[in-house]
Amino acid sequence: SQQGEEDPQALSIQEGENATMNCSYKTSINNLQWYRQNSGRGLVHLILIRSNEREKHSGRLRVTLDTSKKSSSLLITASRAADTASYFCATDEGGSYIPTFGRGTSLIVHP
Amino acid sequence: SQTIHQWPATLVQPVGSPLSLECTVEGTSNPNLYWYRQAAGRGLQLLFYSVGIGQISSEVPQNLSASRPQDRQFILSSKKLLLSDSGFYLCAWSGAAQETQYFGPGTRLLVL
Repeated sequence: SQQGEEDPQALSIQEGENATMNCSYKTSINNLQWYRQNSGRGLVHLILIRSNEREKHSGRLRVTLDTSKKSSSLLITASRAADTASYFCATDEGGSYIPTFGRGTSLIVHP
Repeated sequence: SQTIHQWPATLVQPVGSPLSLECTVEGTSNPNLYWYRQAAGRGLQLLFYSVGIGQISSEVPQNLSASRPQDRQFILSSKKLLLSDSGFYLCAWSGAAQETQYFGPGTRLLVL
């Protein structure tokens, strides 16, 4: 079953701009994760935010979590062409320890 | 440091042929292991997961099977491939906390 749903499905921006992707989910969670996937490669873990956290930073990444709205956002500041990838959110649906992945947002950053 | 390997990287197989994809993890003990399939432009579909040797849980009934003959080895198999088995297969592992998953490079399977 699909728990997290990313929005938008595709995003195209110019280098230097900020990119914001959103994730919505349906049931209560303990944590939410964001992953990145370069074309034809495996997923790479970016950041995990727990249900009792509201915001987390890692380098140019900023993740927010609003449990009242059951949503999260991933902000990439000062984007680079190398940020071109698909970004997935994953949640621990219904208390399962196995994360459930959304369909991803495809980000293209034009140099 | 931990590493995860998958092979082959690419595979083209005729319909009805058997399949064996292998995944191995180095640098950790007793990992949780997972097989996912990703269709083009889609999210990840969990196929199998394993919490220990010989312990396999199936998430989606299909003509695929999985085995874990050793602690750090996870194998995805099929006796007869279908066209619908085409896709990108990803192996992943997680530690005792079972939260973050670490993915292999994937195997692209094309069934013709």
